Amino acid sequence: DSGVTQTPKHLITATGQRVTLRCSPRSGDLSVYWYQQSLDQGLQFLIQYYNGEERAKGNILERFSAQQFPDLHSELNLSSLELGDSALYFCASSVDAEEKLFFGSGTQLSVL
Amino acid sequence: AQKITQTQPGMFVQEKEAVTLDCTYDTSDQSYGLFWYKQPSSGEMIFLIYQGSYDEQNATEGRYSLNFQKARKSANLVISASQLGDSAMYFCAMRELPFYNQGGKLIFGQGTELSVKP
Repeated sequence: DSGVTQTPKHLITATGQRVTLRCSPRSGDLSVYWYQQSLDQGLQFLIQYYNGEERAKGNILERFSAQQFPDLHSELNLSSLELGDSALYFCASSVDAEEKLFFGSGTQLSVL
Repeated sequence: AQKITQTQPGMFVQEKEAVTLDCTYDTSDQSYGLFWYKQPSSGEMIFLIYQGSYDEQNATEGRYSLNFQKARKSANLVISASQLGDSAMYFCAMRELPFYNQGGKLIFGQGTELSVKP
């Protein structure tokens, strides 16, 4: 168990809908990262937050947004969902002074 | 730009034998970190081992060791005494340092699927 908690584990929704994925980092970790894993794109970095502030942005669509709350949990919001958004979404956390990222078990999103 | 290349889409190894998974990387930075993660069929990403670019010794974690050849820009993962539970997808990843400039994100390779035969 990595200590990173993601909910829900599975999400099935329809095109055009909006969903929210939730992540609780390991205790003491200030940095949260979101990744998307799909068969064609592999593991793609989406966005990183550090202590509530956006630190880095990757290949995140404008339809997607994220935030990190004062208690350090993070949410990834996906809107106007398309079939191609179906993927495994990972959250990871780290103490920024260390090198290791620890991943949650992921949220499998299926857009039908 | 950073790039990670894993040229072996799939590999087979006999149980109890050692196996090497290849990883080459490209970066213009002098400071960086290299990681290996394991993803079993259940989907979670499990951290295996880390090597910093300035570490003089190759990293080891139990049955895992990282064969780091800086001049060749390679960071191969060696698994000794393979077990059936080692069957999984393995990802090599890199992070440029100092992290506060890059945000600390990891760039991943495409992965190598390892199958351990009994």
